[in-house]
Amino acid sequence: DAGITQSPRHKVTETGTPVTLRCHQTENHRYMYWYRQDPGHGLRLIHYSYGVKDTDKGEVSDGYSVSRSKTEDFLLTLESATSSQTSVYFCAISEPWTSESTGELFFGEGSRLTVL
Amino acid sequence: AQSVTQLGSHVSVSEGALVLLRCNYSSSVPPYLFWYVQYPNQGLQLLLKYTSAATLVKGINGFEAEFKKSETSFHLTKPSAHMSDAAEYFCAVLTGANSKLTFGKGITLSVRP
Repeated sequence: DAGITQSPRHKVTETGTPVTLRCHQTENHRYMYWYRQDPGHGLRLIHYSYGVKDTDKGEVSDGYSVSRSKTEDFLLTLESATSSQTSVYFCAISEPWTSESTGELFFGEGSRLTVL
Repeated sequence: AQSVTQLGSHVSVSEGALVLLRCNYSSSVPPYLFWYVQYPNQGLQLLLKYTSAATLVKGINGFEAEFKKSETSFHLTKPSAHMSDAAEYFCAVLTGANSKLTFGKGITLSVRP
């Protein structure tokens, strides 16, 4: 299994509080992603990173920010959590799509966030 | 833009029956296609992938999928369902321009004894 650790795995917080989720990888993969999973929506991309200090927005980035200061760590921050951000958050890693690599994603175990 | 359509949200089969999970894609360039499986309270695992080599792709746990360009489909099949196959299955498409995977909404497979 790919070495991807998400923390915390479970968190309950209140509306308006800041929350940071951490993704740590030991695979030295260049690309990292944050997805959220909600019933009826599948997985939706929040933010992604193509390298240290190189991040970009996905399809549902409003209310979220990310940072990547080291190859192995990708942080997702909810500056002021809302109930609509109650979800399961998945981190994923991959290598770039090349003739040797098909760009498949490897996923962490997920972080379940509940915003009351 | 690329997209994936998985019709229906739930499929139920009897143990030993054929499993067929449908996936249709939309892509302006030749795609890479993936099927992932998610067991309860776990992350996603890669089942199989199509990368423009053989159109019939075999994956883990007896699953296979066939890429049909004329039908823009990549349906997942397994000849005989097992109770342990109960999970959620996601089809995904990737085009090389940005290496971002686009997922379908997922299908929950239930297996009846």
